[in-house]
Amino acid sequence: GQNIDQPTEMTATEGAIVQINCTYQTSGFNGLFWYQQHAGEAPTFLSYNVLDGLEEKGRFSSFLSRSKGYSYLLLKELQMKDSASYLCAVRVTTGGFKTIFGAGTRLFVKA
Amino acid sequence: KAGVTQTPRYLIKTRGQQVTLSCSPISGHRSVSWYQQTPGQGLQFLFEYFSETQRNKGNFPGRFSGRQFSNSRSEMNVSTLELGDSALYLCASSRGPGEDTQYFGPGTRLTVL
Repeated sequence: GQNIDQPTEMTATEGAIVQINCTYQTSGFNGLFWYQQHAGEAPTFLSYNVLDGLEEKGRFSSFLSRSKGYSYLLLKELQMKDSASYLCAVRVTTGGFKTIFGAGTRLFVKA
Repeated sequence: KAGVTQTPRYLIKTRGQQVTLSCSPISGHRSVSWYQQTPGQGLQFLFEYFSETQRNKGNFPGRFSGRQFSNSRSEMNVSTLELGDSALYLCASSRGPGEDTQYFGPGTRLTVL
């Protein structure tokens, strides 16, 4: 089956660095996404990895290891506004394109 | 460029009724996917449409259906509503199947009483 695991909740301090891990077991891997979702709002795209390695975009970086079925999202210089849920999602090509989402990691940033 | 729009934003129905939700993708986007989001299950894939054809379907009962029009706008329908159908229904658009980024609409919050 297709499965994505990520921690349910994390807490970090303003100004710090936090790493949110995601492991997946899927067939037909075709890319991994990270989305941010504030409470009551729609998910917004953060990053996309299809090849192994690190993608950096400002304060946010995402890493992928396809052989290990592992990704992480790194958030630097945390701000209060980063308090949100972070969704790891994998696109698979079995039976057409489909994006499978993890349950999300709720991040609390404290002062 | 206008984002993905969904109507209505909020809906209250009773068990046994049916509901139709609408999604207008970003201009130029031809692929529309629908998701159900609940606190316990997270985001669950419902179906994807491209060029008026359903390309993929998730594990939902036949009460959930959808369609796409020639202008890429999409509707989803849920018949014989159940209490468990209460959820946030999200629509996402992309240029085509397999494109790297999906853009989500604000969602329709459906409450079934």
